[in-house]
Order: sequence, then C-alpha cells, then structure tokens
Amino acid sequence: TQLLEQSPQFLSIQEGENLTVYCNSSSVFSSLQWYRQEPGEGPVLLVTVVTGGEVKKLKRLTFQFGDARKDSSLHITAAQTGDTGLYLCAGDRGTGNQFYFGTGTSLTVIP
Amino acid sequence: DVKVTQSSRYLVKRTGEKVFLECVQDMDHENMFWYRQDPGLGLRLIYFSYDVKMKEKGDIPEGYSVSREKKERFSLILESASTNQTSMYLCASRLTGGRGYTFGSGTRLTVV
Repeated sequence: TQLLEQSPQFLSIQEGENLTVYCNSSSVFSSLQWYRQEPGEGPVLLVTVVTGGEVKKLKRLTFQFGDARKDSSLHITAAQTGDTGLYLCAGDRGTGNQFYFGTGTSLTVIP
Repeated sequence: DVKVTQSSRYLVKRTGEKVFLECVQDMDHENMFWYRQDPGLGLRLIYFSYDVKMKEKGDIPEGYSVSREKKERFSLILESASTNQTSMYLCASRLTGGRGYTFGSGTRLTVV
C-alpha cells in the first residue's frame, strides 16, 4: 500500500495547455517535496513545502501544500515540451531520515 | 557542483552472480539511501544509512545487503542476483534535517 497516491498516473497534453497533478495521503507530513525525473536520469528536486496552505511558485509551476499537510498539488501553466518527464511527490513524516514517494505522474507535452 | 555519482549507468549480470553497485557523494551528507524504481511501483527503499558503518532496512531489503565504510560511499550488494532484481537502482543522499534528496543518475541493472 502506497502512503502517497498520485493522480493522474499518465498525462498527455498539447503544448500551451494547463495541467494539475495531485498527491494525496491519509497521513500527515512535516514537509513534502516534488521531483522531476527525465528518462534515464535520477529525480531532481523542484521544491519543498513545509507549512500547511503554503504556495510556492517556480516560473510556470505552482506548488501547494494542503492545509492539513496531507496532500499537495502541482499546477503547470502553459506547458512546454521541456516539462515532459516523471513527476514524483515525496513526504517526510518527521519520524526518521527517509522520505515516502508517490507512484509518479508521467507527463508528455506534445508540440 | 555537488553531486551523487553512481559507478555504472548500465549493467548486465547473470543469475547467481554477486553484484556490487557503488555510490559516492561529495556533499558530506550523513544519510545515504538505495532505492529501486519499477514501473507502476514507484520508488521503493531497499536500505539506508545514517552514519558510517550504520545501516537500516527499508521496505524491500530481501536479497540485498549494504556497506558503508566511509561517509562518502554507500555500496549496494546483490548477494546472488535473480531476474526479479532487474530494475533501475537509484542512490540518494540527504543532509540530516535537509529538505530534499540529491539523487544519482541511476544504474539500470538487467539480470539474465
């Protein structure tokens, strides 16, 4: 059983469209990260959110941490082909040194 | 530029072989991790280490062991490789209290 569920699992959109990826759990996290992984490479950290209700922006990417710190969303505005990749959320329960990963959302942006 | 380096990008090994996957980080991080990544299953933690010579089992330690003799190096050992260990293996490190992992580029292992 995954601690963090991501949806959708696959997403294929046209360049210029907007999209939202969700990361949900029944557990509370002290922080939550989002990573992007390109084919054949390791995940790269995009952002960490810590406070319930927090919103962070990274250019066209907007990350939000739920008020109860159980869920998060990633919104991409005007997607570009360079956004293609696997998006992973990961949560820190604050009980040790490991993070718990979601199953990932594979995004393909079509030119 | 800080980084985590995994010794091999691709490996092909035979069933029953002993396999060593090496990972080195240059960030002086205390914590190092080995994950495997399989389609539909996400990243699953195999082992982690929070200090030299210290190790903790993750969610799927069976068939694996680890070694951490120096702070910068964390090795994953497949004692007797089997075909169900064919996977992408990712090494990561983290500063204690740090906000995220730094990952290596991964090793794609195929066991035939």
